[in-house]
Amino acid sequence: EAEVAQSPRYKITEKSQAVAFWCDPISGHATLYWYRQILGQGPELLVQFQDESVVDDSQLPKDRFSAERLKGVDSTLKIQPAELGDSAMYLCASSLAGTTGGETQYFGPGTRLLVL
Amino acid sequence: AQTVTQSQPEMSVQEAETVTLSCTYDTSESDYYLFWYKQPPSRQMILVIRQEAYKQQNATENRFSVNFQKAAKSFSLKISDSQLGDAAMYFCAYRSAVNYGQNFVFGPGTRLSVLP
Repeated sequence: EAEVAQSPRYKITEKSQAVAFWCDPISGHATLYWYRQILGQGPELLVQFQDESVVDDSQLPKDRFSAERLKGVDSTLKIQPAELGDSAMYLCASSLAGTTGGETQYFGPGTRLLVL
Repeated sequence: AQTVTQSQPEMSVQEAETVTLSCTYDTSESDYYLFWYKQPPSRQMILVIRQEAYKQQNATENRFSVNFQKAAKSFSLKISDSQLGDAAMYFCAYRSAVNYGQNFVFGPGTRLSVLP
């Protein structure tokens, strides 16, 4: 069964350093999402791509976060510089077409970030 | 902005018994989707069940069913014949059917324990 892949699974970094997370969605899925999940809370949508275009990045802290999906397939989320408050699980999800709000999202295993 | 509330941080149920998880939401939209997602410990988040707001009939998926009360903005999940594998965090989520590029909101989650 096809799955969303994410790497690394765990990342420890010091504040002010740069970090990057990678996501490979299910093949053929046009829509890709990045979420941040703080421990004990629900996921918060950071950015949504439709193919290579950003559909929504209203919750992305653009002063330090950036995301790209250059060829409309895999995606990278970057934080520079990392802050203590960025410690969280970063989840990637994909869905088939993104043409309806009711589509099933398939989630990856996440990258757990710890900023020291 | 839409909000999703789950008033039960933790719940427990005896194996083979039935449990109901609560969710309320706030929106001014008339057309939207509601979801329940399950996040097992150290595993991917998966979709449990989905409800379209314009459908009056409550959604069911095997042992999982919902009680959707649109006027009351309530969306509870009932798990029948609970199994040990049902132990997980359960998240209620809302998504607009119109502005689905935005407005995807998760609740804070309910941790369900299943007692043997």
